[in-house]
Amino acid sequence: QVQLVESGGGVVQPGRSLRLSCAASGFTFSSYAMHWVRQAPGKGLEWVAVISFDGNNKYYADSVKGRFTISRDNSKNTLYLQMNSLRAEDTAVYYCARDNADTSGAFDIWGQGTMVSVSP
Amino acid sequence: QSVLTQPPSVSGAPGQRVTISCTGSGSNIGAGYDVHWYQQLPGTAPKLLISGNSNRPSGVPDRFSGSKSGTSASLAITGLQAEDEADYYCQSYDSSLSGWVFGGGTKLTVL
Repeated sequence: QVQLVESGGGVVQPGRSLRLSCAASGFTFSSYAMHWVRQAPGKGLEWVAVISFDGNNKYYADSVKGRFTISRDNSKNTLYLQMNSLRAEDTAVYYCARDNADTSGAFDIWGQGTMVSVSP
Repeated sequence: QSVLTQPPSVSGAPGQRVTISCTGSGSNIGAGYDVHWYQQLPGTAPKLLISGNSNRPSGVPDRFSGSKSGTSASLAITGLQAEDEADYYCQSYDSSLSGWVFGGGTKLTVL
């Protein structure tokens, strides 16, 4: 079935780095733009970054620009988020989500999320 | 403070109808960008509820409906059921921010 599975979360000290992965299955991964969305504990959803289907175009929220890098490997059906210079305010559950043009660009498939905690 | 404004909470008795508003501006909803709605049950990932302002994905009950007018959008839920108790988020694109934006979320309580 159509599925996204995130991994790579954990506890990290401020200023350190972490790389998240999102493994896709059940659909043609290389045909879809993909997003990362995060949710701080007890808070709402915040869009983080998007990458085009071919990896050529990437856009970021101001809150992570210059620190986070989104990438993808279509041969491995995997999306990545490299997070550098982490801050306490980056603590959140990170979700990957599929952008479906057939649903007017809505995020129609979401992973289960992976928790990132930035703490001394 | 979210770019899209939603009421923090709404409530209703089983069987009743509730609406959740989502107010934006001329750089997002008012600029013609589509509004999407997501349902997040406690402890789970968000789920697409309404796409393209008013379209229900397969499997979403017709008790859920969406509309858009001007710089605002609304989600209506009729025949409230206990299982509808969740957080609801609206989403659109903002040209000033060059990015996707979410509302702050609305917690629906079924009394």
